[in-house]
Amino acid sequence: EAGVAQSPRYKIIEKRQSVAFWCNPISGHATLYWYQQILGQGPKLLIQFQNNGVVDDSQLPKDRFSAERLKGVDSTLKIQPAKLEDSAVYLCASSPWTGGGFTNEKLFFGSGTQLSVL
Amino acid sequence: GIQVEQSPPDLILQEGANSTLRCNFSDSVNNLQWFHQNPWGQLINLFYIPSGTKQNGRLSATTVATERYSLLYISSSQTTDSGVYFCAVTANRNNAGNMLTFGGGTRLMVKP
Repeated sequence: EAGVAQSPRYKIIEKRQSVAFWCNPISGHATLYWYQQILGQGPKLLIQFQNNGVVDDSQLPKDRFSAERLKGVDSTLKIQPAKLEDSAVYLCASSPWTGGGFTNEKLFFGSGTQLSVL
Repeated sequence: GIQVEQSPPDLILQEGANSTLRCNFSDSVNNLQWFHQNPWGQLINLFYIPSGTKQNGRLSATTVATERYSLLYISSSQTTDSGVYFCAVTANRNNAGNMLTFGGGTRLMVKP
């Protein structure tokens, strides 16, 4: 079974530039997450999608970050304009959870995109 | 929001030693997962364990939900166990479910 695919693996940009990350979840997984992991910290949730709808984006800095999952499969996360503090690893995860009760809903993570803002 | 604290923050072991990692959380949870992040950054799901005990090879985990903590046991550690171990939870009051809040992690180094 193919895992969560992310690209690019690394990205270096200058502050005030824009950048986009792509994620393809595990086939059939309804729920997709974007996490930001700053060096030395645990991942922090930015946004959660169920199919093509947003479940939660309360921690997404909406003045500069945007995300979409138009067809309920792959997703893009964009930063425009980037700031120095956006340097981090951006992780995409998916799970088969479709809402309702809480069953064995493990999260599966991609390898991440390491962003450096200079 | 819910607070997740892990201890110890850093741990150095000799190969073959056993260890216990702890995760404390500040509210009742309906989802608790343990992850291993390897030196290349890949997060691997070890356990889904909102309560009870599970074992997988040399690893086992116990969650005492009523006392708001979980333990991850590593026996006969190997150098490949090195990396960061994260505990992540979803609070019961989180109606959307499955939105994990991560702790700060325990950084483990196993020396040969």
